[in-house]
Amino acid sequence: DSGVTQTPKHLITATGQRVTLRCSPRSGDLSVYWYQQSLDQGLQFLIQYYNGEERAKGNILERFSAQQFPDLHSELNLSSLELGDSALYFCASSVSQDLSPLHFGNGTRLTVT
Amino acid sequence: AQKVTQAQTEISVVEKEDVTLDCVYETRDTTYYLFWYKQPPSGELVFLIRRNSFDEQNEISGRYSWNFQKSTSSFNFTITASQVVDSAVYFCALSNNQGGKLIFGQGTELSVKP
Repeated sequence: DSGVTQTPKHLITATGQRVTLRCSPRSGDLSVYWYQQSLDQGLQFLIQYYNGEERAKGNILERFSAQQFPDLHSELNLSSLELGDSALYFCASSVSQDLSPLHFGNGTRLTVT
Repeated sequence: AQKVTQAQTEISVVEKEDVTLDCVYETRDTTYYLFWYKQPPSGELVFLIRRNSFDEQNEISGRYSWNFQKSTSSFNFTITASQVVDSAVYFCALSNNQGGKLIFGQGTELSVKP
């Protein structure tokens, strides 16, 4: 068990809809990272938060947004969903903003139909 | 720009064979970190090792060993006496010291047959 908790485990929704993925970091970790794993793009960094503030942005679409709350959990919001958004979304956490995460959550598998 | 290349898309071996997974990276940074992760069929990402750019010592952990060579920008991973449970996709990744973003390779799918 990595200590990073992601919910839900699976999500099936229709095109055009909006979903929210949730992540609770390991105890004591202040930085949260979101990654997307798809068949065509592989594992890609989306966004990083540190202690509530956005720290770095990767290949995140404008339809996607994220935030980190005062209790340090994070949510990734995906809107106007398209078929191509179907992927495995991973959350990871680390103690500091400059330290790469070692441990990932089990992921949320999103299927857009 | 940073890049990680895992040229082997799929490897198939028979149990007890040794297998090496290749990883070649590109970076202009002098300080960086290299990682290996395992993704079994269940889908989770399991951390295996992190190595910083100043430590070129090879590392061995049980049946796993890693060979880091800065001269060839490679960080290869060897599994000795492979087992069926080693069947998974293995990812090599790179990060610099200015943030924790990981750049992943495309992964190598290892199939170990009994």
